[in-house]
Amino acid sequence: EDQVTQSPEALRLQEGESSSLNCSYTVSGLRGLFWYRQDPGKGPEFLFTLYSAGEEKEKERLKATLTKKESFLHITAPKPEDSATYLCAVRGSNFGNEKLTFGTGTRLTIIP
Amino acid sequence: DAGITQSPRHKVTETGTPVTLRCHQTENHRYMYWYRQDPGHGLRLIHYSYGVKDTDKGEVSDGYSVSRSKTEDFLLTLESATSSQTSVYFCAINEGRGSNTGELFFGEGSRLTVL
Repeated sequence: EDQVTQSPEALRLQEGESSSLNCSYTVSGLRGLFWYRQDPGKGPEFLFTLYSAGEEKEKERLKATLTKKESFLHITAPKPEDSATYLCAVRGSNFGNEKLTFGTGTRLTIIP
Repeated sequence: DAGITQSPRHKVTETGTPVTLRCHQTENHRYMYWYRQDPGHGLRLIHYSYGVKDTDKGEVSDGYSVSRSKTEDFLLTLESATSSQTSVYFCAINEGRGSNTGELFFGEGSRLTVL
């Protein structure tokens, strides 16, 4: 069974204070690791897809990296508008091609 | 940008009553999904569709049924609602139109409370 564990559950940073969020996973035949951002009362918003160890993707102050066992979402010099819950998900080969297994998320708060 | 509309956005109902949630999309996407989100569980797939009248079960499908008679509409039905089905329900489409990229675009959610 595919599993995703995200840490920490919550993180409070000062504006400009860089940090990383962790996503550890176990999956049979990785067919993609996905990062989403979710604002309160909204649906998740897609950020990145990573497919193989060593791959990196960047978007503004966010950079996602992937190893064989975990992914990191690095946040550089964050701003208050980066406050959100960040979700990690994996797609494996066991459940056809459809199921994404999501973690429970890291709630990030950036203090001005 | 995919246009997804979920309705109703909020509903309170009583145990044992039927409930139908509607997801409407405007851009002819092939794949549509229903997820539920609960504290401590993350998002879990209920049912999905890969075309008109083509649907399949997800990991938490018990107590739920779906229908897709038109490309644009995907309905989720709780035949007899229970308190354990109190949740936030999200509809999603796959951005990769004909193919399944795994990159989902989610609706705003429907908050269901079963008393």
